[in-house]
Amino acid sequence: AQKVTQAQTEISVVEKEDVTLDCVYETRDTTYYLFWYKQPPSGELVFLIRRNSFDEQNEISGRYSWNFQKSTSSFNFTITASQVVDSAVYFCALSDNNQGGKLIFGQGTELSVKP
Amino acid sequence: KAGVTQTPRYLIKTRGQQVTLSCSPISGHRSVSWYQQTPGQGLQFLFEYFSETQRNKGNFPGRFSGRQFSNSRSEMNVSTLELGDSALYLCASSGGGPDTQYFGPGTRLTVL
Repeated sequence: AQKVTQAQTEISVVEKEDVTLDCVYETRDTTYYLFWYKQPPSGELVFLIRRNSFDEQNEISGRYSWNFQKSTSSFNFTITASQVVDSAVYFCALSDNNQGGKLIFGQGTELSVKP
Repeated sequence: KAGVTQTPRYLIKTRGQQVTLSCSPISGHRSVSWYQQTPGQGLQFLFEYFSETQRNKGNFPGRFSGRQFSNSRSEMNVSTLELGDSALYLCASSGGGPDTQYFGPGTRLTVL
């Protein structure tokens, strides 16, 4: 069975601090896809990044970076120099080849960045 | 390109009533997935439609149903509403397969 675990329920940081959001996943499939979404107070889920199971290259995009490690089944997300506008709930999600349109979400991590 | 749109944005119903929610996908996208978000259960997959056919279904009772039209627009119906159906209902569209899903703003349903 597929499962996504985000052990951190809430994180509070002060502006300009770096923060890492953890995500651990379980799947028996060899081909799968991992995602991070951001949900601001407005409610809409905003796509941030996608990683395929066969691509372990980590990525940096501006203040965001992602660390995908198949050996530990983890897909962590780091925000450097956090800003108040980063305050939101962040979701990690998983899908596989056989269930294309079905995303399995973690419980989400609520990030609060204080000025 | 216009994003995913959902109507209505807010809805208040009473127990026993039925409700229909609408979702218009991004132009060119043929897959529409629906999710329910509640504080207790988080984000849960309801079903996915692709080319007017239900391709995947989550673990929800038969009161939850959907359909997709030839223009890829999708509707979700909940019959005999219960208090526990109060939630944010999100739809997402994609090109199909394991493509990235893009979400709409959601419909917040309150059942009294």
